[in-house]
Amino acid sequence: QVQLVESGGGVVQPGRSLRLSCVASGFTFSNYAMNWVRQAPGKGLEWVTSISYDGNSIYYADSVKGRVTVSRDNSKDTLYLQMSSLRGEDTAAYYCARKAYNRNYHARHFDYWGQGTLVTVSS
Amino acid sequence: QSVLTQPPSVSGAPGQRVTISCTGSSSNLGAGYDVHWYQQRPGTAPKLLIYDNTNRPSGVPDRFSGANSGTSASLAITGLQAADEADYYCQSYDSSLSGYVFGTGTKVTVL
Repeated sequence: QVQLVESGGGVVQPGRSLRLSCVASGFTFSNYAMNWVRQAPGKGLEWVTSISYDGNSIYYADSVKGRVTVSRDNSKDTLYLQMSSLRGEDTAAYYCARKAYNRNYHARHFDYWGQGTLVTVSS
Repeated sequence: QSVLTQPPSVSGAPGQRVTISCTGSSSNLGAGYDVHWYQQRPGTAPKLLIYDNTNRPSGVPDRFSGANSGTSASLAITGLQAADEADYYCQSYDSSLSGYVFGTGTKVTVL
C-alpha cells in the first residue's frame, strides 16, 4: 500500500534552517510528481511546492519563494524540503502529498498524503 | 491566503443532507480547472474524497457527491453520519498564481 512518512520537524529558532524528509513506499516513486502542503495550527491547508517526477520542474508558492528548496532523490524514494530563514508564520504541520497521475490527462489533485511533521518556529 | 471561499461551518442531523459550496474566480474554477475535495478528521491527514469535480476514489461512499458550475462548485453529503464530522477542503489550480489553491475549509457538525 502507498505510504508517505515525513520526518525532520521540530522546534527551531527564527532565522534558522530545517530540512524535512518524506520517504515513500508502495509505489514507483520516480513516476510521480510530489508536493508539500502545510497547515498552520487551527488553520487551513496551504500548498507550498511541487516537484516533477524527474525533478526538472519545480514550483513554489509566493509565501515561501526564495526561502525553501524542494528536491528529491529517486534512488532513495525520498522527497526533501529545505527551509531557511524560518519565520513564526512558517509554524505548521507539513504534509507530503503525491500528485495523482493519469496518462490520458493532466491530473491536478493529491491522491495520497503522509501523516505530517510539525515545525514550530519559536525563540 | 485562500483564493477559494467556503462557508466556515455547516451542520445537520443524522440522516440529513448538507452541501458545502466552494467559490473561485476566473483564474481557477472559472478557467475550467477541476475541483477536488478532501476530508480531514481531527488530528489526521487530509484524505481525497472527490476528484475531477465528480469522481470518488475507491472506498469513498456514494453518499458523497460533487458538482461544478462556472466559478463555483459544491460537495453534498447525504445520509449524514457521525463519522462525517470533519473539516472539508476544496482544491483547484490557479493559472495566475501558477500553483495549487485550497478552499478556506468547512467544518461539518453532526447534531
